[in-house]
Amino acid sequence: DAKTTQPPSMDCAEGRAANLPCNHSTISGNEYVYWYRQIHSQGPQYIIHGLKNNETNEMASLIITEDRKSSTLILPHATLRDTAVYYCIVRVANNAGNMLTFGGGTRLMVKP
Amino acid sequence: KAGVTQTPRYLIKTRGQQVTLSCSPISGHRSVSWYQQTPGQGLQFLFEYFSETQRNKGNFPGRFSGRQFSNSRSEMNVSTLELGDSALYLCASSRTSGDSQYFGPGTRLTVL
Repeated sequence: DAKTTQPPSMDCAEGRAANLPCNHSTISGNEYVYWYRQIHSQGPQYIIHGLKNNETNEMASLIITEDRKSSTLILPHATLRDTAVYYCIVRVANNAGNMLTFGGGTRLMVKP
Repeated sequence: KAGVTQTPRYLIKTRGQQVTLSCSPISGHRSVSWYQQTPGQGLQFLFEYFSETQRNKGNFPGRFSGRQFSNSRSEMNVSTLELGDSALYLCASSRTSGDSQYFGPGTRLTVL
């Protein structure tokens, strides 16, 4: 699976949009971009994933650049409960197995 | 629909002992993966089971083993515990191998 690069930490004001970047310049054509987050001492929570089109669900939006070398996770109206470590992972989503390779992630701090 | 459950939530053992952790996946999910999380190494993949067969294995010694039952519930076992095995052990389930994974709350193991 391709390697990802994320900033180690970011701050965001409550109520504002949080934009979390991820670089994955070596991504292959059949690799998806997945985002998970981990609130302190809890299990990681699946947020969203995509291949090349932008995706949106009730939690967030995922914007993938046209060359697929980077992406941005957008939390449209961040709340204090969104304070967590956010992990960007790229992997092949087929029947080849479930191994997720977690990097260091981005520690997002939402401030009042 | 109930989420992934893990038992016990907390466990204290001494060096040399062995431990068994249990994971019940989301109903209908047939794949179960295990991860270890430590402050030093972060989140690392241990192994994945699908239809009672181990599909993938991470880079861990043979003291770490697992199995999956016909109802998709899974157990992992660590024998001859070492101090470095102190960690949060996370279980994740998905409908099939390669699908989005959903994590449980974890079992926090402390080895004294």
